[in-house]
Amino acid sequence: NAGVTQTPKFQVLKTGQSMTLQCAQDMNHNSMYWYRQDPGMGLRLIYYSASEGTTDKGEVPNGYNVSRLNKREFSLRLESAAPSQTSVYFCASRVPGGSSYEQYFGPGTRLTVT
Amino acid sequence: GDSVTQMEGPVTLSEEAFLTINCTYTATGYPSLFWYVQYPGEGLQLLLKATKADDKGSNKGFEATYRKETTSFHLEKGSVQVSDSAVYFCALSDISGGYSTLTFGKGTMLLVSP
Repeated sequence: NAGVTQTPKFQVLKTGQSMTLQCAQDMNHNSMYWYRQDPGMGLRLIYYSASEGTTDKGEVPNGYNVSRLNKREFSLRLESAAPSQTSVYFCASRVPGGSSYEQYFGPGTRLTVT
Repeated sequence: GDSVTQMEGPVTLSEEAFLTINCTYTATGYPSLFWYVQYPGEGLQLLLKATKADDKGSNKGFEATYRKETTSFHLEKGSVQVSDSAVYFCALSDISGGYSTLTFGKGTMLLVSP
Protein backbone atom coordinates (compact mmCIF):
# COMPACT_ATOMS: atom_id res chain seq x y z
CA ASN A 1 0.00 0.00 0.00
CA ALA A 2 1.99 2.99 -1.30
CA GLY A 3 -0.58 5.65 -0.33
CA VAL A 4 -0.29 8.78 -2.49
CA THR A 5 2.57 8.87 -4.98
CA GLN A 6 3.77 11.78 -7.12
CA THR A 7 6.13 12.07 -10.07
CA PRO A 8 8.52 13.67 -10.68
CA LYS A 9 10.09 14.68 -7.38
CA PHE A 10 12.03 17.56 -8.91
CA GLN A 11 11.66 19.48 -12.16
CA VAL A 12 13.24 22.55 -13.71
CA LEU A 13 11.41 24.26 -16.58
CA LYS A 14 12.08 27.28 -18.70
CA THR A 15 9.43 29.96 -19.02
CA GLY A 16 6.84 28.91 -21.58
CA GLN A 17 7.49 25.18 -21.37
CA SER A 18 4.73 22.77 -20.46
CA MET A 19 4.64 19.76 -18.20
CA THR A 20 2.29 17.42 -16.38
CA LEU A 21 2.60 16.43 -12.73
CA GLN A 22 1.33 12.96 -12.02
CA CYS A 23 -0.45 11.75 -8.89
CA ALA A 24 -1.86 8.36 -8.01
CA GLN A 25 -3.42 6.83 -4.89
CA ASP A 26 -4.10 3.21 -4.08
CA MET A 27 -6.46 3.72 -1.13
CA ASN A 28 -9.68 3.71 -3.17
CA HIS A 29 -10.40 7.33 -2.23
CA ASN A 30 -12.99 9.26 -4.21
CA SER A 31 -11.73 12.81 -3.66
CA MET A 32 -8.33 14.09 -4.76
CA TYR A 33 -6.67 17.51 -4.50
CA TRP A 34 -3.77 19.57 -5.82
CA TYR A 35 -2.09 22.18 -3.61
CA ARG A 36 0.87 24.48 -3.97
CA GLN A 37 3.10 25.44 -1.06
CA ASP A 38 4.99 28.71 -1.04
CA PRO A 39 7.13 30.16 1.76
CA GLY A 40 5.01 32.02 4.30
CA MET A 41 1.79 31.16 2.45
CA GLY A 42 0.89 27.74 3.77
CA LEU A 43 -0.88 25.42 1.33
CA ARG A 44 -3.29 26.79 -1.23
CA LEU A 45 -5.78 24.67 -3.14
CA ILE A 46 -5.38 24.70 -6.93
CA TYR A 47 -8.00 22.19 -8.07
CA TYR A 48 -9.88 19.29 -6.62
CA SER A 49 -11.89 16.33 -7.84
CA ALA A 50 -14.72 15.03 -5.73
CA SER A 51 -15.05 11.88 -7.81
CA GLU A 52 -13.99 10.32 -11.09
CA GLY A 53 -15.11 12.53 -13.95
CA THR A 54 -15.53 15.76 -11.95
CA THR A 55 -13.11 18.60 -11.26
CA ASP A 56 -13.50 22.01 -9.61
CA LYS A 57 -11.39 25.11 -9.18
CA GLY A 58 -9.83 25.92 -5.87
CA GLU A 59 -8.30 29.13 -4.57
CA VAL A 60 -5.52 29.57 -7.17
CA PRO A 61 -6.46 27.76 -10.45
CA ASN A 62 -5.10 30.25 -13.00
CA GLY A 63 -2.39 28.81 -15.22
CA TYR A 64 -3.26 25.18 -14.43
CA ASN A 65 -5.45 22.43 -15.82
CA VAL A 66 -6.30 19.05 -14.32
CA SER A 67 -7.48 15.65 -15.46
CA ARG A 68 -9.07 12.97 -13.34
CA LEU A 69 -8.01 10.07 -15.52
CA ASN A 70 -9.66 7.40 -13.38
CA LYS A 71 -10.35 6.83 -9.70
CA ARG A 72 -6.64 6.38 -8.93
CA GLU A 73 -5.02 9.16 -10.95
CA PHE A 74 -5.28 12.96 -10.90
CA SER A 75 -2.82 14.97 -13.00
CA LEU A 76 -1.94 18.66 -12.97
CA ARG A 77 -0.80 20.39 -16.18
CA LEU A 78 1.06 23.62 -16.67
CA GLU A 79 0.52 24.65 -20.29
CA SER A 80 2.95 27.58 -20.33
CA ALA A 81 5.07 27.72 -17.20
CA ALA A 82 5.84 31.08 -15.56
CA PRO A 83 8.37 31.93 -12.81
CA SER A 84 5.41 32.63 -10.48
CA GLN A 85 4.62 28.89 -10.65
CA THR A 86 7.89 28.01 -8.93
CA SER A 87 6.63 26.13 -5.90
CA VAL A 88 6.26 22.77 -4.21
CA TYR A 89 3.17 20.92 -5.41
CA PHE A 90 1.33 18.40 -3.26
CA CYS A 91 -1.35 15.95 -4.24
CA ALA A 92 -3.75 14.63 -1.61
CA SER A 93 -6.71 12.28 -1.35
CA ARG A 94 -9.50 12.03 1.17
CA VAL A 95 -10.95 9.19 3.15
CA PRO A 96 -14.46 8.53 1.79
CA GLY A 97 -17.44 9.11 4.04
CA GLY A 98 -17.00 9.77 7.74
CA SER A 99 -17.21 13.15 9.44
CA SER A 100 -13.61 14.30 9.78
CA TYR A 101 -12.63 14.91 6.14
CA GLU A 102 -8.94 14.32 6.74
CA GLN A 103 -6.62 14.17 3.73
CA TYR A 104 -3.54 12.10 2.96
CA PHE A 105 -0.64 13.76 1.16
CA GLY A 106 1.98 12.69 -1.34
CA PRO A 107 5.68 13.57 -0.95
CA GLY A 108 5.51 16.57 -3.27
CA THR A 109 7.04 17.81 -6.52
CA ARG A 110 9.51 20.67 -6.28
CA LEU A 111 9.19 22.77 -9.47
CA THR A 112 11.49 25.60 -10.49
CA VAL A 113 10.65 27.80 -13.48
CA THR A 114 13.51 29.93 -14.78
CA GLY B 1 -14.68 32.79 3.99
CA ASP B 2 -12.97 30.37 6.33
CA SER B 3 -9.52 31.17 7.64
CA VAL B 4 -6.89 29.81 10.00
CA THR B 5 -4.37 31.92 11.89
CA GLN B 6 -1.39 30.41 13.65
CA MET B 7 1.55 31.93 15.42
CA GLU B 8 4.53 32.86 13.33
CA GLY B 9 7.78 31.05 13.81
CA PRO B 10 10.29 29.89 14.11
CA VAL B 11 9.71 28.62 17.61
CA THR B 12 13.04 27.62 19.13
CA LEU B 13 13.13 25.40 22.20
CA SER B 14 15.55 23.25 24.11
CA GLU B 15 14.92 19.53 24.40
CA GLU B 16 12.37 18.65 27.11
CA ALA B 17 10.81 22.12 27.07
CA PHE B 18 7.03 22.64 26.94
CA LEU B 19 5.54 23.51 23.56
CA THR B 20 2.51 25.58 22.66
CA ILE B 21 1.65 26.61 19.11
CA ASN B 22 -1.43 28.81 18.95
CA CYS B 23 -4.12 28.36 16.32
CA THR B 24 -7.41 30.23 15.92
CA TYR B 25 -9.96 29.87 13.18
CA THR B 26 -12.91 31.57 11.51
CA ALA B 27 -15.61 29.37 10.04
CA THR B 28 -19.29 29.71 9.29
CA GLY B 29 -20.23 26.13 10.12
CA TYR B 30 -18.91 23.45 12.44
CA PRO B 31 -15.63 22.37 10.95
CA SER B 32 -13.32 19.56 11.91
CA LEU B 33 -9.89 20.73 13.01
CA PHE B 34 -6.49 19.23 12.28
CA TRP B 35 -2.81 19.55 12.98
CA TYR B 36 -0.49 18.36 10.23
CA VAL B 37 3.29 18.04 10.52
CA GLN B 38 5.84 18.38 7.72
CA TYR B 39 9.35 17.06 8.26
CA PRO B 40 12.12 18.47 6.04
CA GLY B 41 11.80 17.35 2.43
CA GLU B 42 8.60 15.41 3.04
CA GLY B 43 4.86 15.78 2.53
CA LEU B 44 2.33 16.60 5.22
CA GLN B 45 1.32 13.95 7.74
CA LEU B 46 -1.80 14.09 9.87
CA LEU B 47 -0.72 14.53 13.48
CA LEU B 48 -4.09 14.76 15.24
CA LYS B 49 -7.68 15.82 14.71
CA ALA B 50 -10.89 16.80 16.50
CA THR B 51 -14.32 16.72 14.94
CA LYS B 52 -16.52 18.57 17.46
CA ALA B 53 -16.39 21.07 20.30
CA ASP B 54 -14.49 19.96 23.43
CA ASP B 55 -12.94 17.00 21.62
CA LYS B 56 -9.27 16.46 22.41
CA GLY B 57 -7.04 15.07 19.70
CA SER B 58 -3.78 13.41 20.73
CA ASN B 59 -0.89 11.58 19.12
CA LYS B 60 2.82 11.04 19.86
CA GLY B 61 2.59 13.15 23.02
CA PHE B 62 0.96 16.09 21.22
CA GLU B 63 -2.50 17.29 22.23
CA ALA B 64 -5.02 19.89 21.06
CA THR B 65 -8.54 20.67 22.29
CA TYR B 66 -11.32 22.02 20.08
CA ARG B 67 -12.52 25.18 21.84
CA LYS B 68 -15.61 26.54 20.14
CA GLU B 69 -16.05 29.44 22.56
CA THR B 70 -12.60 30.82 21.74
CA THR B 71 -12.44 29.36 18.19
CA SER B 72 -9.06 27.88 19.02
CA PHE B 73 -7.16 24.61 18.59
CA HIS B 74 -3.78 25.15 20.23
CA LEU B 75 -1.13 22.44 19.89
CA GLU B 76 0.76 21.39 23.06
CA LYS B 77 3.43 18.92 24.04
CA GLY B 78 4.86 18.52 27.51
CA SER B 79 8.43 17.64 26.57
CA VAL B 80 9.73 18.18 23.04
CA GLN B 81 12.50 16.17 21.40
CA VAL B 82 14.99 17.09 18.70
CA SER B 83 13.06 14.77 16.37
CA ASP B 84 9.98 17.02 16.74
CA SER B 85 11.73 19.72 14.68
CA ALA B 86 9.39 20.30 11.74
CA VAL B 87 6.77 22.67 10.36
CA TYR B 88 3.32 22.38 11.94
CA PHE B 89 0.14 23.36 10.10
CA CYS B 90 -3.25 23.97 11.65
CA ALA B 91 -6.18 23.32 9.29
CA LEU B 92 -9.95 23.14 9.20
CA SER B 93 -12.30 21.26 6.94
CA ASP B 94 -15.30 22.80 5.31
CA ILE B 95 -18.08 21.72 3.03
CA SER B 96 -18.56 23.89 -0.06
CA GLY B 97 -21.04 22.94 -2.75
CA GLY B 98 -21.25 19.49 -1.21
CA TYR B 99 -17.48 18.93 -1.39
CA SER B 100 -15.00 19.02 1.43
CA THR B 101 -11.84 21.11 1.33
CA LEU B 102 -9.12 21.97 3.82
CA THR B 103 -8.07 25.51 4.74
CA PHE B 104 -4.53 25.75 6.14
CA GLY B 105 -2.71 28.20 8.32
CA LYS B 106 0.67 29.44 7.10
CA GLY B 107 2.62 26.98 9.23
CA THR B 108 4.89 27.33 12.25
CA MET B 109 8.44 26.05 12.16
CA LEU B 110 9.64 24.36 15.36
CA LEU B 111 13.36 24.01 16.01
CA VAL B 112 14.44 21.91 18.99
CA SER B 113 18.05 21.94 20.11
CA PRO B 114 19.77 19.30 22.28
